[in-house]
This record gives sequence, structure tokens and C-alpha cells, in this order.
Amino acid sequence: AQSVTQLDSHVSVSEGTPVLLRCNYSSSYSPSLFWYVQHPNKGLQLLLKYTSAATLVKGINGFEAEFKKSETSFHLTKPSAHMSDAAEYFCVVSGSDSWGKLQFGAGTQVVVTP
Amino acid sequence: SQTIHQWPATLVQPVGSPLSLECTVEGTSNPNLYWYRQAAGRGLQLLFYSVGIGQISSEVPQNLSASRPQDRQFILSSKKLLLSDSGFYLCAWSYGQPTGELFFGEGSRLTVL
Repeated sequence: AQSVTQLDSHVSVSEGTPVLLRCNYSSSYSPSLFWYVQHPNKGLQLLLKYTSAATLVKGINGFEAEFKKSETSFHLTKPSAHMSDAAEYFCVVSGSDSWGKLQFGAGTQVVVTP
Repeated sequence: SQTIHQWPATLVQPVGSPLSLECTVEGTSNPNLYWYRQAAGRGLQLLFYSVGIGQISSEVPQNLSASRPQDRQFILSSKKLLLSDSGFYLCAWSYGQPTGELFFGEGSRLTVL
């Protein structure tokens, strides 16, 4: 079985400052990990994914995440926040025993202040 | 390119009334299809998924049902809505292989009064 924990329910950053969203996972198998973003009243959009290739994964809109097996973490970062980054972010894990059935974190709401 | 359409976008229904939410995918064939529910302040809960026409798997016992009458059509239904059915419903699809990457529709917000 697999699970995912997003360590912060809310993150507030100033425009132009770095963003860090923390995610820890547990999985009985070699996991695939994802970050999705959801703007208000919209569907989810894939930001990036890790599938056992390079541990540093680059995604859309300047986001990247690093897979650290020793720490069971997959934190999402962005060097400089933009107002349009205000949204909810979900860390997601999928193991080989749960084909097609992803385990979603509870989400982190990001607020960007001018 | 592939697109996913979901409707209606917003729905307000009285308790005890029926429900039908529809989702269609274009630009691909034999997709895996999913219905998720997102309650306020909570993550996503998988309700149903389908790997083919007429094949429905239910993840959570509940007041809802799903059907897949055509390859790229997925319908979420209820005969009698409960207050607890309120939420944001998301349809999604994935390719027919275990990549784990989902493509989501815009969602349907259901309010049961």
C-alpha cells in the first residue's frame, strides 16, 4: 500500500520569493510520484512526474521536484513565485500494485502576496 | 490532441432528486476513465474507474453509480441525492497503461439542498 503526506496545508509567499511545498510518501513498491496543480473551480493539471529516471524532475511553469529515496520525500520548489502560482497543489503517489489508482495528498493551498 | 469535456459545470439539486453528470473524451480510443469527488478542504477520493465499455469498478460504497455506455463516455448517476453528495466531481482519463498520469476535466460542482 502507498500513502502520501503533504506537510503544509497552507503556504504564503511573497511574489518573487522561493516556493517550497513539502511531500513525504510511503510505498511498498518503487513509486511513481506526481505533483498536480488546481486553480479555483478548475480541474487538476499535471506539473511534473517522477518515474524512476532522473531524481531531479523539471516541470511546467518553472517548477521542479527532487526525489529523495532516503528521506522518502518529493518536495516541490520554484525559485521565484508569480501571482499566477496561487492555487492548490497535490502530491500524488502511484505504486505498481495500484495501477491507475493514485493516492492523493490532502493538498497545499498556496497564497502569493504582492 | 485529446480533450475531455464534463457537464454540467454547476448543479443545484434538492435532496432526493436524481443526478446525471456526463463526461466525454475526444482524440483517443479505449481510455481508462475515472470519477473523483473532492469535498471542501479535502483531497480527491476515487469513486469509480473503468477500463472498458460496461466495465465499472467501484472504490467506495455509496449512493452513486457509474456507467460507460460508449468507449469515450462516462456517466455518474444517482437515483436519490443526499446532502452528503455535495462536492466537486472530477472526471479524468488516462492511457491504457499504468503510467499513473491523469488528464482531468474542468469539474462539476454539485450542491444538494
